[in-house]
Amino acid sequence: AQKITQTQPGMFVQEKEAVTLDCTYDTSDQSYGLFWYKQPSSGEMIFLIYQGSYDEQNATEGRYSLNFQKARKSANLVISASQLGDSAMYFCAMRAGAVYGNKLVFGAGTILRVKS
Amino acid sequence: NAGVTQTPKFRILKIGQSMTLQCAQDMNHNYMYWYRQDPGMGLKLIYYSVGAGITDKGEVPNGYNVSRSTTEDFPLRLELAAPSQTSVYFCASSLSSGANVLTFGAGSRLTVL
Repeated sequence: AQKITQTQPGMFVQEKEAVTLDCTYDTSDQSYGLFWYKQPSSGEMIFLIYQGSYDEQNATEGRYSLNFQKARKSANLVISASQLGDSAMYFCAMRAGAVYGNKLVFGAGTILRVKS
Repeated sequence: NAGVTQTPKFRILKIGQSMTLQCAQDMNHNYMYWYRQDPGMGLKLIYYSVGAGITDKGEVPNGYNVSRSTTEDFPLRLELAAPSQTSVYFCASSLSSGANVLTFGAGSRLTVL
């Protein structure tokens, strides 16, 4: 069974500083994908970044990067130069292997608060 | 493009009532999903569909039913509502290949009293 663990219920970061949100995963599949989604207080789910298990480079999207350490089964999200608008809930999710339906399994989330 | 549209946005039900949450997507995605999010928690998969006429159970299907008669629509039916079904419900869709990024609807907040 696939499992995602986010051990930080909440995090604070000073505006303009970088922050790392932790995510570890468990799967026996060789082919899988890891996703990060942002959920602001308005409630919608916003896709941030994707990393495939065979991708050799860490994924980057603007101020977001994914620190992928395959041997440690971790896929931490790094947000650089934090902005007040980054305050939100962040979810790590995994799609494992050739799972029928390409379903995602989500972690419990980390609430990030950016301080001015 | 509207993306994924969910209705209603809010609904209060009495115990034992039934209702249908509507979901429609205009991106020609084959795959569609229903998730629920309880307060302070992550999303759990209720049902999913890989195409018209094909549905399957997710992690928490009890108390729900779905149908997929068209590619665009994927309604979620709640029968005999219970307080445990108080939650925010998200519909999502994705392509059937590639990274399969899920596109989510805005969510439907359901309260059962």
